[in-house]
Amino acid sequence: DTAVSQTPKYLVTQMGNDKSIKCEQNLGHDTMYWYKQDSKKFLKIMFSYNNKELIINETVPNRFSPKSPDKAHLNLHINSLELGDSAVYFCASSQVVNRDPQWAAFFGQGTRLTVV
Amino acid sequence: GQNIDQPTEMTATEGAIVQINCTYQTSGFNGLFWYQQHAGEAPTFLSYNVLDGLEEKGRFSSFLSRSKGYSYLLLKELQMKDSASYLCAVRTLDNYGQNFVFGPGTRLSVLP
Repeated sequence: DTAVSQTPKYLVTQMGNDKSIKCEQNLGHDTMYWYKQDSKKFLKIMFSYNNKELIINETVPNRFSPKSPDKAHLNLHINSLELGDSAVYFCASSQVVNRDPQWAAFFGQGTRLTVV
Repeated sequence: GQNIDQPTEMTATEGAIVQINCTYQTSGFNGLFWYQQHAGEAPTFLSYNVLDGLEEKGRFSSFLSRSKGYSYLLLKELQMKDSASYLCAVRTLDNYGQNFVFGPGTRLSVLP
């Protein structure tokens, strides 16, 4: 009964390739996120989707594009991969309307992307 | 802008008490959250504060002072398994929606 699941867990690919990471949540949350955690372990927001609308888009290269087919899914597509894209990418979800007393964001297990 | 600060590393002894501090300057503040992250794993939710004061949850407690932009996480009766990174995060809420902004994390090493 995984709450937030993302696939794949590991992804090794060559520079210039295009890849996608999938994320699904079964918590009924209305907001989903993509975070990037670099080698210094700093967790940085990339995108946020609320009810299928992009509401936050930090200074992320346009090679990265989030796609949300429905409220429970937020996939991350990356074009023309570069060496600097190597990192761990985490999907997360939360609820804005106060339904869950904890109000926390819950994370998937992460995707370790290595670009060679 | 958003700015969150924590000590980079801390060391403590098994059975002891440790306090991890977090200071923040953010707009649209809507709660302060603490997460634990073991190496190679995802962050897991520990505790949160929306109002000022102390919240206790077993061996973990978290404190918030909104006027000072300050929070701390208190870990009691430290165990070896508590060795991990502890992330302070501010939830923000504005016209554009909700976001969680994370601090740089504090790596805690518990020694026998």
